[in-house]
Amino acid sequence: AQSVAQPEDQVNVAEGNPLTVKCTYSVSGNPYLFWYVQYPNRGLQFLLKYITGDNLVKGSYGFEAEFNKSQTSFHLKKPSALVSDSALYFCAVRDMWGGGNKLTFGTGTQLKVEL
Amino acid sequence: DAGVIQSPRHEVTEMGQEVTLRCKPISGHDYLFWYRQTMMRGLELLIYFNNNVPIDDSGMPEDRFSAKMPNASFSTLKIQPSEPRDSAVYFCASSLDPYRDDGQPQHFGDGTRLSIL
Repeated sequence: AQSVAQPEDQVNVAEGNPLTVKCTYSVSGNPYLFWYVQYPNRGLQFLLKYITGDNLVKGSYGFEAEFNKSQTSFHLKKPSALVSDSALYFCAVRDMWGGGNKLTFGTGTQLKVEL
Repeated sequence: DAGVIQSPRHEVTEMGQEVTLRCKPISGHDYLFWYRQTMMRGLELLIYFNNNVPIDDSGMPEDRFSAKMPNASFSTLKIQPSEPRDSAVYFCASSLDPYRDDGQPQHFGDGTRLSIL
């Protein structure tokens, strides 16, 4: 079985400050990990992924995520937040060799960046 | 490249009516997924297809829901008869073979907002 937890329903941060959106996962084997962003009335947009290799993954719009195997975490980060980053963020996981082709999504974290 | 295209974007209908949602995946993608998003249950996978064949429909809530993929460029999700509790945003997504080493992401359409009165 595979699962994802996003412990925070909402994260508030001031523009220009660093932001972190937390995600922990559980899989039987090795994980494929993804972050998606959803703006109002739009579909989910792919931000970045971790497959193997470097634990720090860089993605779109200046976002990055750090894979930590011992803590089974894949937190999303950005050094300097923008008001336009305000959106709903989803973490997702798939077991590399099991679970079929299903992505399991977290419940989402609403990011609010204020001036 | 054109993304995943869904129609209609909004649908309002009365309980008991048949509802058909449509999806055109990205050309060349092998996999197609149907999801439902609600405030209460979040994002749920309903069914997915590989090369037009349904692989896993364990997320389909009940027999009122059915999905087809007659060819590589078109899929439908049908609800008959519809009920108010079916009100949600329905998303279609497509991807290349995800078992490639680079872990292909799923690409989502902008969804159909369905309201059953």
